[in-house]
Amino acid sequence: DAKTTQPNSMESNEEEPVHLPCNHSTISGTDYIHWYRQLPSQGPEYVIHGLTSNVNNRMASLAIAEDRKSSTLILHRATLRDAAVYYCILRVYGQNFVFGPGTRLSVLP
Amino acid sequence: GAVVSQHPSRVICKSGTSVKIECRSLDFQATTMFWYRQFPKQSLMLMATSNEGSKATYEQGVEKDKFLINHASLTLSTLTVTSAHPEDSSFYICSARGRGTGSLDYGYTFGSGTRLTVV
Repeated sequence: DAKTTQPNSMESNEEEPVHLPCNHSTISGTDYIHWYRQLPSQGPEYVIHGLTSNVNNRMASLAIAEDRKSSTLILHRATLRDAAVYYCILRVYGQNFVFGPGTRLSVLP
Repeated sequence: GAVVSQHPSRVICKSGTSVKIECRSLDFQATTMFWYRQFPKQSLMLMATSNEGSKATYEQGVEKDKFLINHASLTLSTLTVTSAHPEDSSFYICSARGRGTGSLDYGYTFGSGTRLTVV
């Protein structure tokens, strides 16, 4: 499985933007970049995914480097409810999700 | 759409007893279901994959006789922890993949998890 590297933890202030980085230098051409998040005592929740182009949805934006070796999840205005563990996962269509340790995001009021 | 309901959310059982956890897809047909286990402060670890109507495929190191998985219908999969011991205490999470349309093609939907405590 292609691996990703994320910081163990990050902090943000409420109502400020948050940029969560993910390195995936061994990504292959068929790997999609997925982001999930897990709130305390909950199952993972889909956030966003992309292949080559930047993506936006109502939850977040995904910025993908031109060489695809890194990506950044952008939360435009962090709220207290965004405090969670964020997982960056590479996955070929149809295969399982392999979760790494993720980034634990703390949002300060 | 694409909701997965998992029950119970919490269960406490005595050592040596068995516990069944249910995972239901509410508005789609789940052709494949996945079961994960998550210990405190750790990430999710895949335990097994089950396709409707066939035997589950277990990951290395997961005892198939201890963790019984049944996926008898397109909307229901169950995980039974048999002869549970305190070391089986964990957070169990199911995930489902449906027939290939729309959002289900790229994202799996996860249940809300079951916190199992064996005393």
